[in-house]
Amino acid sequence: GAVVSQHPSRVICKSGTSVKIECRSLDFQATTMFWYRQFPKQSLMLMATSNEGSKATYEQGVEKDKFLINHASLTLSTLTVTSAHPEDSSFYICSASDGNYNSPLHFGNGTRLTVT
Amino acid sequence: GENVEQHPSTLSVQEGDSAVIKCTYSDSASNYFPWYKQELGKRPQLIIDIRSNVGEKKDQRIAVTLNKTAKHFSLHITETQPEDSAVYFCALNSGTYKYIFGTGTRLKVLA
Repeated sequence: GAVVSQHPSRVICKSGTSVKIECRSLDFQATTMFWYRQFPKQSLMLMATSNEGSKATYEQGVEKDKFLINHASLTLSTLTVTSAHPEDSSFYICSASDGNYNSPLHFGNGTRLTVT
Repeated sequence: GENVEQHPSTLSVQEGDSAVIKCTYSDSASNYFPWYKQELGKRPQLIIDIRSNVGEKKDQRIAVTLNKTAKHFSLHITETQPEDSAVYFCALNSGTYKYIFGTGTRLKVLA
């Protein structure tokens, strides 16, 4: 149980284009989803927290107009990287919570974004 | 805000030896402490967790200890094997939906 599916696993795009990443909870309802960014050999950096039906909460230093997050249902959250630049190249991972903050997070497989 | 310090950043052990990774935190409200293992290019996977009402938990070769007074918790891996080589992250939750992650420990088990 507690499977989180993330797509795509890899994407290469040109500078200036936008990329959408999907995160789905397959067998549970995710009241809260988290989006992380991970640079090589570094820890997970929380970008934003999304709650179903409300606006995402962004961490300090994360541009909300560049990283658009939508959590339209209890099983789907999307992250759109708008007007991507090479410095946006990174590993993006989503995770989902079933609402019990004493439970572990369930992670998606991650998306390797390369902006050329 | 809450901060988690994780040490060491890299750790090399001989196969069969034990490995210990330690995390310290500052928020006494923290009540849930998971450990994740991440292999290169893959998702973090939960390997063990502990809640604030217990001091130790063991699952085969993996154990976690928690000292709430001193505000630190540790991951212990015994009889290490080459497949244990990965990056390990501690994390904690302070009663909200937000999890704080440690900086990671790159464990290398030498055959």
